[in-house]
Amino acid sequence: GAVVSQHPSRVICKSGTSVKIECRSLDFQATTMFWYRQFPKQSLMLMATSNEGSKATYEQGVEKDKFLINHASLTLSTLTVTSAHPEDSSFYICSANPYTFGSGTRLTVV
Amino acid sequence: TQLLEQSPQFLSIQEGENLTVYCNSSSVFSSLQWYRQEPGEGPVLLVTVVTGGEVKKLKRLTFQFGDARKDSSLHITAAQTGDTGLYLCAGEVMSSWGKLQFGAGTQVVVTP
Repeated sequence: GAVVSQHPSRVICKSGTSVKIECRSLDFQATTMFWYRQFPKQSLMLMATSNEGSKATYEQGVEKDKFLINHASLTLSTLTVTSAHPEDSSFYICSANPYTFGSGTRLTVV
Repeated sequence: TQLLEQSPQFLSIQEGENLTVYCNSSSVFSSLQWYRQEPGEGPVLLVTVVTGGEVKKLKRLTFQFGDARKDSSLHITAAQTGDTGLYLCAGEVMSSWGKLQFGAGTQVVVTP
């Protein structure tokens, strides 16, 4: 079946730095991928739709300049959290296919 | 915003008992998915239902999509301790392929 790989699984960064998260489709091509965020004890919330070769579409309330999405190939989408702050600490999960999810990235900003 | 209300939030039962989790919305979805999520992991797809009134079975799990495609249920028969986990329903937003609206989740605990 379809497999979505996400890297890294955990990352700790200092406030003000940027962090890049990768999402790869391993055995299929994905022109569209989705990025979600999940806070503790809460459900997944869609942040943005990543489109290969074009700009991402962001959900209302999600800052596009803070969460940079690049989908440069049919198997890779990246989410960069810029100038990270402690309130950005969360579990970030990507999906493709579109119902197959990666294993998630736990971001902790200190 | 198409809100999905999932109930109950928490369910604790003994092995061998049955349980049902509900997912309700006032909006119509093009499809609905049920997932199971383990701590620190992404959700794993259990089933997708598309047609109103559809019923799908996966071993001891039965999934039903409401006739109006606004609600769904997950029924587990003769629960086992291995069924313990967080169950999430997600509705696919109409005219927005792949965009999912998630319910808050139901934490199921099955004790021996």
